[in-house]
Amino acid sequence: DQQVKQNSPSLSVQEGRISILNCDYTNSMFDYFLWYKKYPAEGPTFLISISSIKDKNEDGRFTVFLNKSAKHLSLHIVPSQPGDSAVYFCAASANSNYQLIWGAGTKLIIKP
Amino acid sequence: DAGITQSPRHKVTETGTPVTLRCHQTENHRYMYWYRQDPGHGLRLIHYSYGVKDTDKGEVSDGYSVSRSKTEDFLLTLESATSSQTSVYFCAIIPDSGNTIYFGEGSWLTVV
Repeated sequence: DQQVKQNSPSLSVQEGRISILNCDYTNSMFDYFLWYKKYPAEGPTFLISISSIKDKNEDGRFTVFLNKSAKHLSLHIVPSQPGDSAVYFCAASANSNYQLIWGAGTKLIIKP
Repeated sequence: DAGITQSPRHKVTETGTPVTLRCHQTENHRYMYWYRQDPGHGLRLIHYSYGVKDTDKGEVSDGYSVSRSKTEDFLLTLESATSSQTSVYFCAIIPDSGNTIYFGEGSWLTVV
């Protein structure tokens, strides 16, 4: 039973355009969500997070949107740059515990 | 840089042999984690620790054991390696003051 799902294994976007990565979850107890970025042969690195008391969080080119009623979050990258090519993971936790549930990842490819 | 060092970074071992992976941190954080990452599965929690000699199982703990005799070191042991344990293993920490997880660079294990 996958509680956090990233249904697109890969996504290809033209440089300069918007990249939208999606994540769905099933557990209504999740109250904290994170996005991580992973390059090959490296560990995942933290990108941006959002608490369930918000519906949007922005950090530079990265914005995360949370739709609690739909149990859906998305990561927007504007404008997309070649260095954004990586695998993106979403993760969720419940009640501020320290265990995260991870999606399977989406590979983002930015085309020149 | 969260001050996490994993060793070895790459290892090839034979089926049935014991293997120990080491995670070392320099910041004395209480929470440490071992994850494995496999295609299509994202990151899956193996074991975690919330202090010296305090450890607990994650979702994929079968075939793995851990030890934490010092705050700075968290060891993951495969008592008798199997081919299904071929994977990339990531150590992670959560700083005591936050809820963002930081990963090491990974240990690539191949069981032949």
